[in-house]
Amino acid sequence: AQKITQTQPGMFVQEKEAVTLDCTYDTSDPSYGLFWYKQPSSGEMIFLIYQGSYDQQNATEGRYSLNFQKARKSANLVISASQLGDSAMYFCAMNKIKAAGNKLTFGGGTRVLVKP
Amino acid sequence: NAGVTQTPKFQVLKTGQSMTLQCAQDMNHNSMYWYRQDPGMGLRLIYYSASEGTTDKGEVPNGYNVSRLNKREFSLRLESAAPSQTSVYFCASSVGQPQHFGDGTRLSIL
Repeated sequence: AQKITQTQPGMFVQEKEAVTLDCTYDTSDPSYGLFWYKQPSSGEMIFLIYQGSYDQQNATEGRYSLNFQKARKSANLVISASQLGDSAMYFCAMNKIKAAGNKLTFGGGTRVLVKP
Repeated sequence: NAGVTQTPKFQVLKTGQSMTLQCAQDMNHNSMYWYRQDPGMGLRLIYYSASEGTTDKGEVPNGYNVSRLNKREFSLRLESAAPSQTSVYFCASSVGQPQHFGDGTRLSIL
């Protein structure tokens, strides 16, 4: 079974500063994917970034980067230069990479509030 | 681009009523999923369909049934709604990574 833990229920960040959201995971599968999703107050789930377990380099997507430390089983999200629109819930998730049916397991989320 | 479309967006039911939540995707994805999100929590998988013609249980399947009508459509049915099924329901689809989500259906059961 897979498990995702997000230990920060909520955090404040000053606009234009960077913020790191913690995510640790547990799995016995050698091949897995790690994801971050953003959920604004409007409720939709927005995909941010993906890291495969065999990827050598940390994933980056614009202002988002994933700090992947395989030995520590952590996949922290770094948001650089925070903007007011970054205020939202952020979910870390993982799945076992298969040909089909890549079921996601989610963490409990971290609420981020960006202060002007 | 419509992506993943869920209907309805909101619904209020009485205990014991039945209802079907509809989901359709226009991205030609093979796999489709139903999740529920309870207040303050992450999403939990109810059922999924790895490909057209197959369905499998997820983490919290009790009280639900699903139908993969065709490659585009995947419906979730509550046969006899219970207050514990009050939640926000998300449909998602994928081919490989990542999953793309609909906007959700907010369901309240009184």
